Amino acid sequence: AQKITQTQPGMFVQEKEAVTLDCTYDTSDPSYGLFWYKQPSSGEMIFLIYQGSYDQQNATEGRYSLNFQKARKSANLVISASQLGDSAMYFCAMSSLYGNNRLAFGKGNQVVVIP
Amino acid sequence: NAGVTQTPKFRVLKTGQSMTLLCAQDMNHEYMYWYRQDPGMGLRLIHYSVGEGTTAKGEVPDGYNVSRLKKQNFLLGLESAAPSQTSVYFCASSGQTGNTYGYTFGSGTRLTVV
Repeated sequence: AQKITQTQPGMFVQEKEAVTLDCTYDTSDPSYGLFWYKQPSSGEMIFLIYQGSYDQQNATEGRYSLNFQKARKSANLVISASQLGDSAMYFCAMSSLYGNNRLAFGKGNQVVVIP
Repeated sequence: NAGVTQTPKFRVLKTGQSMTLLCAQDMNHEYMYWYRQDPGMGLRLIHYSVGEGTTAKGEVPDGYNVSRLKKQNFLLGLESAAPSQTSVYFCASSGQTGNTYGYTFGSGTRLTVV
C-alpha cells in the first residue's frame, strides 16, 4: 500500500521568500511517480511538478523544484520567490504502475503568502 | 479542448435520495478515477476504472457504485445518500502510462446531503 505523509501545520510565508513543503512517502513498489498539486480557494487541482523514482536529477518547473531524497523517501516541494497567488493548499501524491496508476494523496499543506 | 468535465457542479440531496455524477473525458484516456475530498483528509479514492467495462474499489467505496460503459464516461452513483457523503467529488483520468504527467482532473462537484 502507498502512504503519503504531510504533517506541517498551516504556513505563513513572506512574499518573495522561498518556502519548503515536506512530503514523505512509503511504498514497496520499485517504480513510482511523485507529484505535487496546488489547490487554490477556487477548488481546482493544478498539476505543478513530477518526479519519477528512477530520475537521477531533481525535477524543476519554473519556480517549483522537487527535492527528491529516495533513500529517505522524501519528496519536498520548494517554491522560490513566493507570490501572493501561491496562497493555496498543496498536495503531495504518488502513483505506481503496480497500483494501476492510482494517485494516493497526502492530507495537504496550507500556505498563505503575506505581502 | 474540454479535458475532464463533471456534471453537476453543485447538488443538494435529502437523506435517502439517489443521484448520479457524470464524468466525461475527451482525451481517450484508459484510466478514470473518482475521489472525494473532505476537510483535512486530502483526496481519497472511491472507485476507479482501468478501461471500458471495468471498475474496481478504491480506498472508500462503501455507499457508492460506478459504471464505465463507454470509454469516455465514468459514472458515480449514490443509491441512498447519507449526510456522511457530503463532500467535494473529483473525477480524474490518465493515460495507460499514467505514471508520468498525464493526470487530468475535473473541476469538482460539491454535494451536500441534508
